[in-house]
Amino acid sequence: NAGVTQTPKFQVLKTGQSMTLQCAQDMNHEYMSWYRQDPGMGLRLIHYSVGAGITDQGEVPNGYNVSRSTTEDFPLRLLSAAPSQTSVYFCASSYVGTGRRLNYGYTFGSGTRLTVV
Amino acid sequence: KQEVTQIPAALSVPEGENLVLNCSFTDSAIYNLQWFRQDPGKGLTSLLLIQSSQREQTSGRLNASLDKSSGRSTLYIAASQPGDSATYLCASRMDSSYKLIFGSGTRLLVRP
Repeated sequence: NAGVTQTPKFQVLKTGQSMTLQCAQDMNHEYMSWYRQDPGMGLRLIHYSVGAGITDQGEVPNGYNVSRSTTEDFPLRLLSAAPSQTSVYFCASSYVGTGRRLNYGYTFGSGTRLTVV
Repeated sequence: KQEVTQIPAALSVPEGENLVLNCSFTDSAIYNLQWFRQDPGKGLTSLLLIQSSQREQTSGRLNASLDKSSGRSTLYIAASQPGDSATYLCASRMDSSYKLIFGSGTRLLVRP
């Protein structure tokens, strides 16, 4: 089925370890983004991209890196995991521009639950 | 800076009741507003999207309205069912950005 696919679904890391959260979409969306969701904090934007080769920081970018080499993929890298990065991570995508393409809104993946011990 | 607020934070109703969830935003220069549903431990499922030029959108038992001038959107759920129990989130996209700004959500429980 078309949509946003996130892997892995669950991950436990030790403090200081690195890992990459994968996100892939098959809807030819230009815009892709990463959010983290924490109790009492809601969903907060980490990084986003409006096309291949273009990335920018969101609200809470520290400790995370991203790159966008293809339209389909937008991986999120944790370089040195910290307990404060324990969270649920969501990837979302959408079309950019105006008009009918934006009638489809944003599509979210099912999330990655990350625990850093 | 856009701020999105959802009231109430939690709501418990008996099955069959009609209910309204509220979403307010501080900056009326929104491009669109989207309502999502999130089940415990799951991702976000899009329910309805309202463009800034629209007043309302309907899907089945759901109706979402938008009043930019007052900075409000409402999600109306008719004849609620236990399967409607979930957290409902609204999110606005601003004219100048592709970013979504989320409210903190309303946790709905529909009692059999």
